[in-house]
Amino acid sequence: AQKITQTQPGMFVQEKEAVTLDCTYDTSDPSYGLFWYKQPSSGEMIFLIYQGSYDQQNATEGRYSLNFQKARKSANLVISASQLGDSAMYFCAMREGSARQLTFGSGTQLTVLP
Amino acid sequence: EAGVTQFPSHSVIEKGQTVTLRCDPISGHDNLYWYRRVMGKEIKFLLHFVKESKQDESGMPNNRFLAERTGGTYSTLKVQPAELEDSGVYFCASSHRTTNTEAFFGQGTRLTVV
Repeated sequence: AQKITQTQPGMFVQEKEAVTLDCTYDTSDPSYGLFWYKQPSSGEMIFLIYQGSYDQQNATEGRYSLNFQKARKSANLVISASQLGDSAMYFCAMREGSARQLTFGSGTQLTVLP
Repeated sequence: EAGVTQFPSHSVIEKGQTVTLRCDPISGHDNLYWYRRVMGKEIKFLLHFVKESKQDESGMPNNRFLAERTGGTYSTLKVQPAELEDSGVYFCASSHRTTNTEAFFGQGTRLTVV
């Protein structure tokens, strides 16, 4: 079974609007961490936001927020006020228990339209 | 502070040849990870170093892949002999010993085996 599922291969959003990128996860470990990374066309992976499984509040970092719904096992990324520079591939990832490595989803290609 | 640096950024080699990829982690980061994204697939974990020790190499695909981190600083990933299916983007990431959150990624090495 897929550990991380990103069901949107591609998304379009108008500049200045908000967009939600979906991510669902599967784990039986009560302790885990969820990550979102951005990969622009230049290739580097940029860390955006982190949510721990025991965190009570949804994580926020500037225009990025993580809509964490534990019972549904979803960790959607919300980007507010989209900018042209937000066009990139976005990856959701998970770290389970004491493991140090990340398990990635297949990614969502976001295109921001002017 | 310099980020994670990977060399080369691109490499094109013939099947059967040897290629060595290099990763320079962020200074002071004990954890170093190698990941790989084969075309059209998810980013997959290869292995994890803590300083110079291999902590987890469960993701290494076969014995044609050899990773080293002598002295606990930079790391190399050698593929010998390379096969067509080894083509993809190889990412290196590093994190501080005590962090439970983000790992910082390099820009990746795009390997093409022809």
